Amino acid sequence: DVKVTQSSRYLVKRTGEKVFLECVQDMDHENMFWYRQDPGLGLRLIYFSYDVKMKEKGDIPEGYSVSREKKERFSLILESASTNQTSMYLCASSLAGIGSGELFFGEGSRLTVL
Amino acid sequence: QKEVEQNSGPLSVPEGAIASLNCTYSDRGSQSFFWYRQYSGKSPELIMFIYSNGDKEDGRFTAQLNKASQYVSLLIRDSQPSDSATYLCAVNIRQGADGLTFGKGTHLIIQP
Repeated sequence: DVKVTQSSRYLVKRTGEKVFLECVQDMDHENMFWYRQDPGLGLRLIYFSYDVKMKEKGDIPEGYSVSREKKERFSLILESASTNQTSMYLCASSLAGIGSGELFFGEGSRLTVL
Repeated sequence: QKEVEQNSGPLSVPEGAIASLNCTYSDRGSQSFFWYRQYSGKSPELIMFIYSNGDKEDGRFTAQLNKASQYVSLLIRDSQPSDSATYLCAVNIRQGADGLTFGKGTHLIIQP
């Protein structure tokens, strides 16, 4: 089974702190994604990556950056956390292939920014 | 902004009946369409995908696609209480790229 592991299920941070959300997948998938999910807004794509050291902006990249130094690991970085970044963050991975569409999600990281 | 629209519900269906979930999308160039199910407190999981106009059946689930009307639907036959969940429609809007755009989801409740 594909396993996508997110390092922290729950985090509480203060405004202005730097936050790292880590995601590791064990199925040698090329594609990795970061989404956030908010009530009434659904899942929104923040960043994605096709390959090591490559990254592409999604729909809401402002306030976030990402790092992909190894194929299996994709990190989301909040340089200076703000209260409006309180959310559930979901990492996902998929095989390469245009429109393959089967995303495998991690269990999510619920971030609260005070 | 290219969008995927779903009725948020809740949609309440008696056990054993057919549940019908609908989705519209704005980008006429979209090629790939997906239905994900998300149980409360869990992550989404793929249940069906469809690429061509018409119907695609998988067990109790049928996906329907009408590209001319920019409309995707999911039918669940013989609905079970375990089908109670939020159903997310997702579309590959980015041409030549992966990364799905999701609708906000429809909350389905199957009444025993």
